[in-house]
Amino acid sequence: DIQMTQSPSTLSASVGDRVTITCRASQSISSWLAWCQQKPGKAPKLLIYDASSLESGVPSRFSGSGSGTEFTLTISSLQPDDFATYYCQQYNTYPYTFGQGTKLEI
Amino acid sequence: EAQLVESGGALVQPGGTLRLSCAASGFTFSSYSMNWVRQAPGKGLEWISYISPSSATLYYADSVRGRFTISRDNAKESLSLQMNSLRAEDTAVYYCARWRTGATFDFWGQGTLVTVSS
Repeated sequence: DIQMTQSPSTLSASVGDRVTITCRASQSISSWLAWCQQKPGKAPKLLIYDASSLESGVPSRFSGSGSGTEFTLTISSLQPDDFATYYCQQYNTYPYTFGQGTKLEI
Repeated sequence: EAQLVESGGALVQPGGTLRLSCAASGFTFSSYSMNWVRQAPGKGLEWISYISPSSATLYYADSVRGRFTISRDNAKESLSLQMNSLRAEDTAVYYCARWRTGATFDFWGQGTLVTVSS
C-alpha cells in the first residue's frame, strides 16, 4: 500500500497567516493527490484534486502544488472558518490511502 | 443539489452483522462510482470499498475483504454495505462518498456510526 505522511500533525496559526502543509507519498503517485478539509462532527469536504486543481466553490486562498512524491497545501491568508483538520489522499493506486491529518489550530 | 444520506448504523456485538444504506438524490446516481470510507473515533480516514456504476467492478480494503460486501441499486438510487463478522476495530463513522473521475471523492454523506461492543 502507498503510505501518505503529512507534516506537521498540528499547526498553530493566526487569522491572516500564510500556512503550508506537506504530504509525502511512499512512492510516486504522479498528480493523483487530493486535499480535503474536515471540521468536528462533519463530513470531509474536497478542496483540491489532481494536486493543484481547485474544487468548484472553494475559496482561491487555497492552493495545491507538487507531483511525484511531495505535495503541499497552502492557505494564503487564514480565515476563522479555516481552522479544521486537513487530509491528503492518493488515488493513484488501490487501496486509496489518506495521510494521518493535520489539525490547524488557532 | 446533490445529497447522500447514510443510515443503518447501530450498536452491535462482536461477530454480528449490520447493513448500511446510503440514499442518493440530486444527481444521476447511475453515472457515478461510489465508495465507503470510515473513520474510527478520533482517528483518520480509511477507504474501505468501491463500486463502479454498473457494479461490474468492486474493490475492498484488506481490512474488510471477505467480511463486507458493497452493492448498489441504481433504480432506487441506493448504495449498501453488508457487514458481517464485525469486530471491535470496525467501530467507526461510515461515510458514503461519490467518486468523480479524475477528482476522487467529491461529495460525502454525513455519516452513520457503527459501534461494535459487547
